[in-house]
Amino acid sequence: DTAVSQTPKYLVTQMGNDKSIKCEQNLGHDTMYWYKQDSKKFLKIMFSYNNKELIINETVPNRFSPKSPDKAHLNLHINSLELGDSAVYFCASSQDANGAGELFFGEGSRLTVL
Amino acid sequence: DQQVKQNSPSLSVQEGRISILNCDYTNSMFDYFLWYKKYPAEGPTFLISISSIKDKNEDGRFTVFLNKSAKHLSLHIVPSQPGDSAVYFCAASDQNYGQNFVFGPGTRLSVLP
Repeated sequence: DTAVSQTPKYLVTQMGNDKSIKCEQNLGHDTMYWYKQDSKKFLKIMFSYNNKELIINETVPNRFSPKSPDKAHLNLHINSLELGDSAVYFCASSQDANGAGELFFGEGSRLTVL
Repeated sequence: DQQVKQNSPSLSVQEGRISILNCDYTNSMFDYFLWYKKYPAEGPTFLISISSIKDKNEDGRFTVFLNKSAKHLSLHIVPSQPGDSAVYFCAASDQNYGQNFVFGPGTRLSVLP
């Protein structure tokens, strides 16, 4: 039973399309995140939600819009996809937004924009 | 700007020997550090953490050392096993800003039988 699951795992699409990646966690955590692993393999935080409220919003194009219908779900919607959006996107969760604690990651969603 | 650096992209070690993975950071406000391990086609999994109030934390075969003055931490794996072959990420955060972890680019460890 996967703790943090994201779908789809692979996504190939054309430039200009709109796509979504879904994430669900069954750990009862209050905080969820989206990370992007770029071509240089850095994992960079994009967004963080705590109890459905946005708490971290790094410098990300506004074509990227996170949506948290409840604290167990954080979906990532991307409009007008560009070649540079090709990356692996990881969803993660943690017990809370403050203090020390580990992140639990999903398996990643590899997005390829042609 | 890379606030967290792992200058060795890869490392090969013989089974049974010690693996030492290094991580350097530039932000003196970082006060909490984690190591993650990642197998291909899987998400990173938590390995071990250390707070800036300590200089060492041990968990089984894994030990993390923190040198605050040098802004350097290292992960020691003893003895190394073939199953340890993975990419290891160092991550750091300033706890005043919650869980905004900054990750290094990772080091690929290969443990040779």
